[in-house]
Amino acid sequence: DAGVTQSPTHLIKTRGQQVTLRCSPKSGHDTVSWYQQALGQGPQFIFQYYEEEERQRGNFPDRFSGHQFPNYSSELNVNALLLGDSALYLCASSASGGRSDKNIQYFGAGTRLSVL
Amino acid sequence: AQSVTQPDIHITVSEGASLELRCNYSYGATPYLFWYVQSPGQGLQLLLKYFSGDTLVQGIKGFEAEFKRSQSSFNLRKPSVHWSDAAEYFCAVTPLNKFYFGSGTKLNVKP
Repeated sequence: DAGVTQSPTHLIKTRGQQVTLRCSPKSGHDTVSWYQQALGQGPQFIFQYYEEEERQRGNFPDRFSGHQFPNYSSELNVNALLLGDSALYLCASSASGGRSDKNIQYFGAGTRLSVL
Repeated sequence: AQSVTQPDIHITVSEGASLELRCNYSYGATPYLFWYVQSPGQGLQLLLKYFSGDTLVQGIKGFEAEFKRSQSSFNLRKPSVHWSDAAEYFCAVTPLNKFYFGSGTKLNVKP
């Protein structure tokens, strides 16, 4: 059973460019959350997708957008990249409904984004 | 506003010694509480969780945590630390599907 997978593992972009990160959730999970983890910090919640809709959003600008596909996989898009967007971006999946592991988030290994 | 505080940024313990990592949260009700561990360059692995019931919860790798409502705390403990426990540990709370993480405690283990 594959866990949460993210691609790519590393990415280098320049200021002003746009980037797309991808996430496939753990089998049986239908909810995907995205986090930004700056160096030396804890993960910060960006947003969460459920049923292809953004369900909750953290304190991030509109340059950060996302999408969830019918197979529950998700993308995180960041436009007009800034140097401060350099971070590890983590995807987490969870299950809704009556499952016993509802409310538990399982994390992928992340995508390391460097903005030059 | 919800917040999670991990007051210790770095902790160094000798192998075989006991460990306690502190976590305090601020929230109007009792949220769900978690501890995750992150090795360098890796994602987060769930160690244990508290939803309700018994306030002492057992997790993987010999870790346990105790929820104390009166202190709004959820401290992580291990009776005997192994060199492989060196990593960064994050406490998290989740009211209503949104996870809030502390800033982490980096654990070093001396041989």
